[in-house]
Amino acid sequence: DAKTTQPPSMDCAEGRAANLPCNHSTISGNEYVYWYRQIHSQGPQYIIHGLKNNETNEMASLIITEDRKSSTLILPHATLRDTAVYYCIVTRGFKTIFGAGTRLFVKA
Amino acid sequence: DTEVTQTPKHLVMGMTNKKSLKCEQHMGHRAMYWYKQKAKKPPELMFVYSYEKLSINESVPSRFSPECPNSSLLNLHLHALQPEDSALYLCASSQVAGRTYNEQFFGPGTRLTVL
Repeated sequence: DAKTTQPPSMDCAEGRAANLPCNHSTISGNEYVYWYRQIHSQGPQYIIHGLKNNETNEMASLIITEDRKSSTLILPHATLRDTAVYYCIVTRGFKTIFGAGTRLFVKA
Repeated sequence: DTEVTQTPKHLVMGMTNKKSLKCEQHMGHRAMYWYKQKAKKPPELMFVYSYEKLSINESVPSRFSPECPNSSLLNLHLHALQPEDSALYLCASSQVAGRTYNEQFFGPGTRLTVL
């Protein structure tokens, strides 16, 4: 399984866009990039996934570089409730290996 | 219903006790997962069931015994646990295991304390 690298923590001002980077330089051709987040003491929550094209849903946007070696999760207007640990995961099938994640602090 | 439920929410047990954790989903998912999460660490995959058959066992000690009686239900039987097994145990489900695209839905977890 491809390994991911994320910064351990980031800060973001409330109402601003939060841009969370992820490196996955060993990703292979048919592996998807997934993003989950975990708010304190809750189960992880799926956010978005992508293969090679940029994706957007009601929660976030995912930008994947053309060589697929890195991606960025964008929360367009961060709120205090977006404070959480964000996990970038690359996996094929069901063997999901979580990396250390990025702890995002959204500040008022 | 897009929810994965887990019971109990909290469990305290002694090292000689036998207890079980329960997980349930009614989304028609055919893959179910157990994860273990220690404080300030990411979730670690323990077991994967696909179509009620055990597909992955991540070298988990035999004191943890999973069971999938039907496609909606997943149990984790606990026996002779150690204090270091204290953790948050998370259950998840997805449509089908083994496909390239596989969004998982997680339950809230059971917080287990072993005395």
